[in-house]
Parts: sequence; structure tokens; C-alpha cells
Amino acid sequence: QLVEFGGGVIRPGGSLRLSCAASGFTFDDYGMNWVRQAPGKGLEWVSGINWNGGSTGYVDSVKGRFTISRDNAKNSLYLQMDSLRAEDTALYYCARAMSTGFYYGMDVWGQGTTVSVSS
Amino acid sequence: EIVLTQSPGTLSLSPGERATLSCRASQSVSANYLAWYQQKPGQAPRLLIYVTSNRATGIPDRFSGGGSGTDFTLTISRLEPEDSAVYYCQQYGSSPFTFGPGTKVDIK
Repeated sequence: QLVEFGGGVIRPGGSLRLSCAASGFTFDDYGMNWVRQAPGKGLEWVSGINWNGGSTGYVDSVKGRFTISRDNAKNSLYLQMDSLRAEDTALYYCARAMSTGFYYGMDVWGQGTTVSVSS
Repeated sequence: EIVLTQSPGTLSLSPGERATLSCRASQSVSANYLAWYQQKPGQAPRLLIYVTSNRATGIPDRFSGGGSGTDFTLTISRLEPEDSAVYYCQQYGSSPFTFGPGTKVDIK
């Protein structure tokens, strides 16, 4: 099971940290990803991290602004979001990759946490 | 960045009919690392198929995937009312891992 939290309403230029708590599986056996969905729109992969945090990836639109990390001792995944823009408004899902890397199908998903960037 | 195009945009079929969904990539998908997801309103996506043709755990065998290179398909052999959803393809062969815009399947 994956449970996301930390979303909210934030002004443009602000920062937010999303968290994802994992349970029911050995967290450090899997890569993890963040995927977002703007209201009424499709899915967009945002970022991924491998099992030990040694490899990460980002979509171009968030590079330099978002940072993915994980704490295997706490079975938790994070997404630090800085310099937020209106176009970052979305439901953010945490999703497990089917391998130790993040470059694989995503077989377990949380229910998402909503981020709204508005002045 | 690999751009994925899905067709048709909407498919309206009756229960028991066969649905064929297409996903075309702007360049070859490395190692055929292509997945299909189903998303129903208000729900998180659900993995159906990975590496083009492998069914995820618990997915009925009426869902099948195929293709290679730049052209991929998801086939639902006998539609059931609960298959009404939006279906997305995703490539994870090269970063950024892009999704297609989705195909909406309506069951009449």
C-alpha cells in the first residue's frame, strides 16, 4: 500500500514537500516514481528513483525545481517541489516500479495528493 | 523525448465485442519497454500490461498486448461493462518516461 500526503494550496514560487508512506512490501527492493495528473488531463511521469537513491530521473519541466529522495529506514518516498508554477497544479501519485530501478512498469499506486498552485 | 500517440480517441462498443487500441511512438521504444494502464473515474491507474505483452498480476487473459518498435496494441477480446475506462500507454525505455493521451472506451 502507498499513501501520499503533503499536498495543499500554495502560491506561485512557493515550496511543498510531498511524502509517500509504503507498507506491505519490502520498500528497498523497488524503484519508485511520482506521476501527476492535471485536472481533467492525462498522466505525466514526473520523477523516479532507484532502490537505494543512487539513480534518479526527471521530466524536463521540473528539472532543477523538484528533487526526489527516499528514506528506506522509514519506508518513505519524497518529492521536494520548489519554485512552483501554476502548471504544476495536479494530483500527484506515488507508484512502485516492478524492479529495483525506476525504469519499469508501475504496479502499485497510491490514491494521490492534490497540489494546487494559485495566487 | 518519445511522443506517444493513441488512437482512436474514443471507442464505443457493446459487451462481448473486441476492442483494439493503438499506441504509436515517435521513435523506437527501447527493449519494447511499453506498458498499458487502465484508469476509471476517481481512481488511480492500474497496470494491465508491461514489456509490451506481459499481463500484470490479476489481469484477466482477455487483455493482451502486442507490437514492437514504434507500433503497439492493446486488445480486449470480449468487452465487459467494467472495462469502461481510459487506457494509457507508457514507454519507459528512455527518460523521460512518457504517456500517451489515452483512449476512452465506452461500453454501450
